[in-house]
Amino acid sequence: EVQLVESGGGLVQPGGSLRLSCAASGFTFSSYWMSWVRQAPGKGLEWVANINQDGSEKYYVDSVKGRFTISRDNAKNSLYLLMKSLRAEDTAVYYCASGVAFQIWGQGTMVTVSS
Amino acid sequence: DIQMTQSPSSLSASVGDRVTIACRASQGISNYLAWFQQKPGKAPKSLIYAASRLQSGVPSNFSGSGSGTDFTLTISSLQPEDFATYYCQQYNSYPLTFGGGTKVEI
Repeated sequence: EVQLVESGGGLVQPGGSLRLSCAASGFTFSSYWMSWVRQAPGKGLEWVANINQDGSEKYYVDSVKGRFTISRDNAKNSLYLLMKSLRAEDTAVYYCASGVAFQIWGQGTMVTVSS
Repeated sequence: DIQMTQSPSSLSASVGDRVTIACRASQGISNYLAWFQQKPGKAPKSLIYAASRLQSGVPSNFSGSGSGTDFTLTISSLQPEDFATYYCQQYNSYPLTFGGGTKVEI
């Protein structure tokens, strides 16, 4: 079964850090671009970052540049998002998704930034 | 940045209705457009990519069309499980952007 499973979300204070993980199974992870997409409570979808197959290309939405870092470990079929200097406006459900057209989605992990 | 504008933002329909959702890009994106369905509390689900290609397993009553700046998602006969929010997304250039969503309600 094709599957993406996120983990690592939680409650963090403003200015804090968090590392999200996404475990892939059921497809050839190393052949796909991978992305992070978020959704603030009651809001629409926002692309956050993506990374190419070997990790040599990375792109970010402007609002997270310099604070978030996307990475992957193809040997572990895993995608990561290291989030630093977190702000209240980063509060959202974070999804990992495959490709640039987001063919496969995980179930999401909630990140809450609050004091 | 490419802005994606969906219309309407919400609509009321009945089972069996034909439903059309429009998505307009602020500049040409060729056919680099995808459509997603999202139900409350669930992750989005990919329906269509490359403007008109149906993802595997998606019912054939869903179809997409368009190229350049104007795109359409059509549900030919609305089923009870189709009541959801629908999003378009362009992947022609960075930043990748979504439309604001269209909520399809009874």
